Amino acid sequence: EVQLVQSGAEVPKPGDSLRISCKASGYSFTHYWISWVRQMPGKGLEWMGRVAPGDSHSNYSPSFRGHVTISSDKSVSTAFLQWTSLTASDTAIYYCARSDGDYHDYWGQGTLVTVSS
Amino acid sequence: EIVVTQSPGTLSLSPGERATLSCRASQSVSSSYVAWYQQKRGQAPSLLIYSASRRATGIPDRFSGSGSGTDFTLTISRLEPEDFAVYFCHVYGNSQFTFGPGTKVEIK
Repeated sequence: EVQLVQSGAEVPKPGDSLRISCKASGYSFTHYWISWVRQMPGKGLEWMGRVAPGDSHSNYSPSFRGHVTISSDKSVSTAFLQWTSLTASDTAIYYCARSDGDYHDYWGQGTLVTVSS
Repeated sequence: EIVVTQSPGTLSLSPGERATLSCRASQSVSSSYVAWYQQKRGQAPSLLIYSASRRATGIPDRFSGSGSGTDFTLTISRLEPEDFAVYFCHVYGNSQFTFGPGTKVEIK
């Protein structure tokens, strides 16, 4: 059974760094992309970027490039989303999702990040 | 950059009625690159339709997708109580995914 299990809710302060994770199981991790998708409170879905775990190649939405880093570690079948300096506008639910290229067939349960002083 | 719009923003219907949701891209895209997702309150999105018209595994046949070029449609032939949710389309192009803003299907 394919599963994407994300790390738990976080409450960082403005200016903090943060890394959240997405652990994959039930399939060959290196054969599919992992995307990250943001959902701000009460809003729609925004694609942030993706990583190809086989070679760690990543590409980003222009809206998020330079603000986050997407990476993966195939030794533990885990993808990561990282910030170096959070702001209140980063408060959102973040989903990871598996993609074979054109669509996202499995999704993680979401990680709530609440940036608050 | 491809811009994706969805209409209507909200659809108020009764169980048993037909729902027709629209997804429009700002430029022509291959139908292979259009997918639809359902998101119920408090849950992660789930895949309904890929390649514009192919149902994902386990999706009932009351859900169907169609379209080409810039205009794509998700149809729910007879709404069941569990179908009241938000529906998003997305388009893939130039190594980017772009989601539409979503259509909320609510009980009338």
